[in-house]
Amino acid sequence: RKEVEQDPGPFNVPEGATVAFNCTYSNSASQSFFWYRQDCRKEPKLLMSVYSSGNEDGRFTAQLNRASQYISLLIRDSKLSDSATYLCVVIRAGGGNKLTFGTGTQLKVEL
Amino acid sequence: DTAVSQTPKYLVTQMGNDKSIKCEQNLGHDTMYWYKQDSKKFLKIMFSYNNKELIINETVPNRFSPKSPDKAHLNLHINSLELGDSAVYFCASSPHSGTGDNEQFFGPGTRLTVL
Repeated sequence: RKEVEQDPGPFNVPEGATVAFNCTYSNSASQSFFWYRQDCRKEPKLLMSVYSSGNEDGRFTAQLNRASQYISLLIRDSKLSDSATYLCVVIRAGGGNKLTFGTGTQLKVEL
Repeated sequence: DTAVSQTPKYLVTQMGNDKSIKCEQNLGHDTMYWYKQDSKKFLKIMFSYNNKELIINETVPNRFSPKSPDKAHLNLHINSLELGDSAVYFCASSPHSGTGDNEQFFGPGTRLTVL
């Protein structure tokens, strides 16, 4: 079982839709959580950190449920430019700054 | 100005050859990393250096040898290339090696194809 699991998708949604991605992690010692975005044939870039209280950045909302070891990302009012792969990332306690990536969820926003 | 740069961008080579990939960051960061993204798009860390010192060494064949001549550079040398080494290799850097407010910035990747 992978340490970080995601539904690979693809999620095909119309412009303007709301879409949610989920991610589960197996190591209860995980302490830091992120969503990264990777465009086709490009490098990953940090989208947002995920905090225990939940956090929002414009159209993006991230939630963390430590009890269920579950992270989510909600995108409201999807834009064509949101089409990308969204990577769930965790850092274990005592793991330094070693990022452990999920396999990613592909999003395609269509007209 | 490119923050994290890698050369070459593409590398096509025969099995058994030895090749190097170079990485440079101009962000003044202390810590650099190498990641491998395989054909299934799974990204996995290989190595990390902090101020030229190796701090993370995942289970990677010893044909892979990182070298950090200074904290702005982290190169990856691969001996006796195998078909399974075909992947995209990403270099990254972060301000320090700890957690907390320590975003990693990735280079554009080097697409290695072993024939």
